[in-house]
Amino acid sequence: GENVEQHPSTLSVQEGDSAVIKCTYSDSASNYFPWYKQELGKRPQLIIDIRSNVGEKKDQRIAVTLNKTAKHFSLHITETQPEDSAVYFCAATPDTGRRALTFGSGTRLQVQP
Amino acid sequence: GAVVSQHPSRVICKSGTSVKIECRSLDFQATTMFWYRQFPKKSLMLMATSNEGSKATYEQGVEKDKFLINHASLTLSTLTVTSAHPEDSSFYICSARDRPYGYTFGSGTRLTVV
Repeated sequence: GENVEQHPSTLSVQEGDSAVIKCTYSDSASNYFPWYKQELGKRPQLIIDIRSNVGEKKDQRIAVTLNKTAKHFSLHITETQPEDSAVYFCAATPDTGRRALTFGSGTRLQVQP
Repeated sequence: GAVVSQHPSRVICKSGTSVKIECRSLDFQATTMFWYRQFPKKSLMLMATSNEGSKATYEQGVEKDKFLINHASLTLSTLTVTSAHPEDSSFYICSARDRPYGYTFGSGTRLTVV
């Protein structure tokens, strides 16, 4: 099955700086790579996703890059704000409709004002 | 967008009792429902995949007799934690795949076994 590794486990940045979180996956059949933000006791919230037919996707301050050859993908947050502080999870799946997401171990991002 | 309603949001039960958690897809048909468990400060770990009208598929190490999953209709899947013990205390969350919205999550259930 799929195995997703995520680094770093914690990340502290100053407000306004950029943050980068990296993930690698093992299953070459995976073709859907979402990123989630989770606040304590809440459901994961999708912040951005990418499919294997593109290498990069951007939505305002958030971007995701994908390198299928190397089997890794990254989340980039620019101009970080205190409200970006949360736990972020990457995930991967061969999106057949019947395969679950496999999650990374999570990154606790703290943005210092 | 797609909505999955999960109930209850919090439950406290006595050791040895059973607890049922429901997930309903409100505006789409969820052929497949995924059940995850999340321990504090940990990631979401897949417990089982339930398919409407057939037996659930459990991940390695998950006791199927302890975590009973029923997916009797295209809009309802239930997880019953039988003979709950304190080590079953966790955050349980369901998820369904709904094109084109992607994977939709329930709001989660915080189970505390005392």
